Amino acid sequence: NAGVTQTPKFQVLKTGQSMTLQCAQDMNHNSMYWYRQDPGMGLRLIYYSASEGTTDKGEVPNGYNVSRLNKREFSLRLESAAPSQTSVYFCASRIGITDTQYFGPGTRLTVL
Amino acid sequence: GENVEQHPSTLSVQEGDSAVIKCTYSDSASNYFPWYKQELGKGPQLIIDIRSNVGEKKDQRIAVTLNKTAKHFSLHITETQPEDSAVYFCAATILGGNDMRFGAGTRLTVKP
Repeated sequence: NAGVTQTPKFQVLKTGQSMTLQCAQDMNHNSMYWYRQDPGMGLRLIYYSASEGTTDKGEVPNGYNVSRLNKREFSLRLESAAPSQTSVYFCASRIGITDTQYFGPGTRLTVL
Repeated sequence: GENVEQHPSTLSVQEGDSAVIKCTYSDSASNYFPWYKQELGKGPQLIIDIRSNVGEKKDQRIAVTLNKTAKHFSLHITETQPEDSAVYFCAATILGGNDMRFGAGTRLTVKP
């Protein structure tokens, strides 16, 4: 039981490049989340998926898109990366019955 | 939306001393307040949470108190140990909701 896994662990992009961050959970959780973590700002919610087939914007959705591919997988796409998107990205999941969110190990993204 | 403020941003204590981290929230509708611990290079992990129908909750050396009237809640760690060194985040949300707001974090250092 791996919990929440994220790939890649590290990525460097040039301004304007695109990429997709992958997240998968093997806990049969209904809800999945994408956060970004910046120094001095805690974690901010980018997008979430309350259940398979649905996605909604969070606090900071601009510049991102998401896909809930199936119950296990929730991907985050940057279509045209900007230096302001340099951050550590965390995926999380929640079963829905409880409010505990389980976080992945994170992806450190640098946009030059 | 909800706004969570967390203090202090850094905290250094001697091993065996107590540590207290405080958070305030703005939305009176929030009724679920988790605390997460993040070790270096890892994702946040839930350590304790409290719902608005109780004023205090304990789990071994960790306790959380909630004052709904003043809209603040605190994390108390007693008999601190070097392995307590980490970044701690408070958060606030509505039970069953998806938009959890985090504080900016407190870096706790426990000196042996």
